[in-house]
Amino acid sequence: DGGITQSPKYLFRKEGQNVTLSCEQNLNHDAMYWYRQDPGQGLRLIYYSQIVNDFQKGDIAEGYSVSREKKESFPLTVTSAQKNPTAFYLCASSQKRGDYGYTFGSGTRLTVV
Amino acid sequence: GNSVTQMEGPVTLSEEAFLTINCTYTATGYPSLFWYVQYPGEGLQLLLKATKADDKGSNKGFEATYRKETTSFHLEKGSVQVSDSAVYFCALTSAYSGGGADGLTFGKGTHLIIQP
Repeated sequence: DGGITQSPKYLFRKEGQNVTLSCEQNLNHDAMYWYRQDPGQGLRLIYYSQIVNDFQKGDIAEGYSVSREKKESFPLTVTSAQKNPTAFYLCASSQKRGDYGYTFGSGTRLTVV
Repeated sequence: GNSVTQMEGPVTLSEEAFLTINCTYTATGYPSLFWYVQYPGEGLQLLLKATKADDKGSNKGFEATYRKETTSFHLEKGSVQVSDSAVYFCALTSAYSGGGADGLTFGKGTHLIIQP
């Protein structure tokens, strides 16, 4: 079945470490996105990519980095520069025209210990 | 810029009650509108959508009508069940940006609790 796979489901990070969250889709979607979800704040866009080897900053890109070397993969690195990384991270994908809606992964919960 | 405003939660109802979750938006051009549902610990699932004015999206007993004159997309269900307990997000994407260019703009979400 087609879909988006995020891994791991739970991730723990020590202060000062970089961690990478995986996102893979087999839907042949052109566009991919990373959102951060915090209680009471809804979802906020971190980065998005419409095509391989190109990506754009969203509303809260500071302290994060991404790459898009393959169409099906869009990993997110949470760097040590991100001061408050504990959150639920959601990856999504869509056709380039968004009228079809977005498909979301099941999320990764990152906790700083 | 684009924005979405939803009613604050949590919304607590008894089983078989009528549900309305209000959603209003601000957007340039002619956005597409969506309702997503999130169950605990999971990602978001598309519940329904509408892409032009006066369109009605429907799924699983839920309905929402795209009202351009009031810039609204209220979610309704005639008789809720305990299994409808979840967080509901209203969202839009601007057609001018090619849909997917800058991502969805979400409301903050409404936590719905249905009691038996």
